[in-house]
Parts: sequence; structure tokens; C-alpha cells
Amino acid sequence: EPEVTQTPSHQVTQMGQEVILRCVPISNHLYFYWYRQILGQKVEFLVSFYNNEISEKSEIFDDQFSVERPDGSNFTLKIRSTKLEDSAMYFCASSEARTSGGTDTQYFGPGTRLTVL
Amino acid sequence: AQSVSQHNHHVILSEAASLELGCNYSYGGTVNLFWYVQYPGQHLQLLLKYFSGDPLVKGIKGFEAEFIKSKFSFNLRKPSVQWSDTAEYFCAVIPYGQNFVFGPGTRLSVLP
Repeated sequence: EPEVTQTPSHQVTQMGQEVILRCVPISNHLYFYWYRQILGQKVEFLVSFYNNEISEKSEIFDDQFSVERPDGSNFTLKIRSTKLEDSAMYFCASSEARTSGGTDTQYFGPGTRLTVL
Repeated sequence: AQSVSQHNHHVILSEAASLELGCNYSYGGTVNLFWYVQYPGQHLQLLLKYFSGDPLVKGIKGFEAEFIKSKFSFNLRKPSVQWSDTAEYFCAVIPYGQNFVFGPGTRLSVLP
């Protein structure tokens, strides 16, 4: 069964450094998403991406965050200058169609644990 | 504020006990409902989903959930839990025109 993959599984970085989290969505999916889960808290929506542009973003997704689909398979989340509070598990997800409106399901990757020191 | 709530933060059961995890949401109108499970050290996996039709939805691993529109609820049930069901369970709602909103999660510990 096809699945969403993410690399690395764990990233440790110093505060102020840039990090890029990578995701390979399921190949025939068109919509891509990033979520994060701070330890002990709920999963929070960050951003959705379709047709090479951001469809929606939450308040969390401020100017330090960016997303990109640099080629036909990867979907990346960049954090420009990491802060301590960016430490979290970051999940990528993809769906065939836009989930909002009830036509499809999002499939989640295994997550990347980001630790900011 | 509109939200998704899950009744219990941590549930502890013995094997073979019946399980019911509560989920309530505060969005009006059309919603799509999901239960995801996260086993220790693993990623989120879809247990079941409801879009329309029969409000009693059957998922994988013997789980089912019932959508009660009048109560804004989507409770997860399993008649007999196993030790391998130990995990964190997340209810998620997609209000029409919006993105996923996850509940805070319920940790289930099943004692052998």
C-alpha cells in the first residue's frame, strides 16, 4: 500500500538555525498538508498546498515558515530561524482531492521530530 | 470557540473490557469525522471515517463509531479491547470549507 514518507525521522538543531523537513506524498495525490504536534498537545494544522501554491494556512504558519514542492515528488517545510517553541513532531499528509467538503481522506506520514536546543 | 473535545485524557482498561471514547464537536453544518490512532513510536493511522450515509461506521481492528448529529458526537467503540490497542486516539473533524481540526487525544492503556 502506498504511504507518505518523511525524512529525517529526528532533527536536532540550534536555535536560530534553518531547517528543512522533507516529505514524499503518495504519488497520485494532489493536495499536501503540514501539521505539527507539540509534546503533550493536540495535532495542529499548519498549511495546505495545491497546484504549487498555498491554499490555506493557520495563524501558526507565520513568515518564518515556507513550503515548497521543488520537484515532482518532494514537499518540504522550511523553518527559517528556529525557536525553542518550534520543537514538535511535524506531520506531512496528502490526499487525492481536497478533503474539506468530504471527498477524500488525508494520509499521514510518520512524522519528523524536531528538537530545537 | 469552535472546537473538538474528547472526554477523557487517559483511559485505563483491562483486556476484554469494552471501550467507548467520547468525541464532541461544536461546528454546525456539514462535517466529516475521523478517528486516528497513534501507536507508541508510530505515526497517525486512520481507524475510520464518516462522510455520509449510515451513521454507524465500522473501521479496522474491530473499531466502530456512531455519528449522532443531534448530539454533535462521534464516539468510538470496541466491544473487547486487547493489549495491542494501547495507543493515543484522536478524533478529527473537518467542518465544511475548512481543514482538519483535531481533538486533544485520549490515551488508552490496556492492561494485560
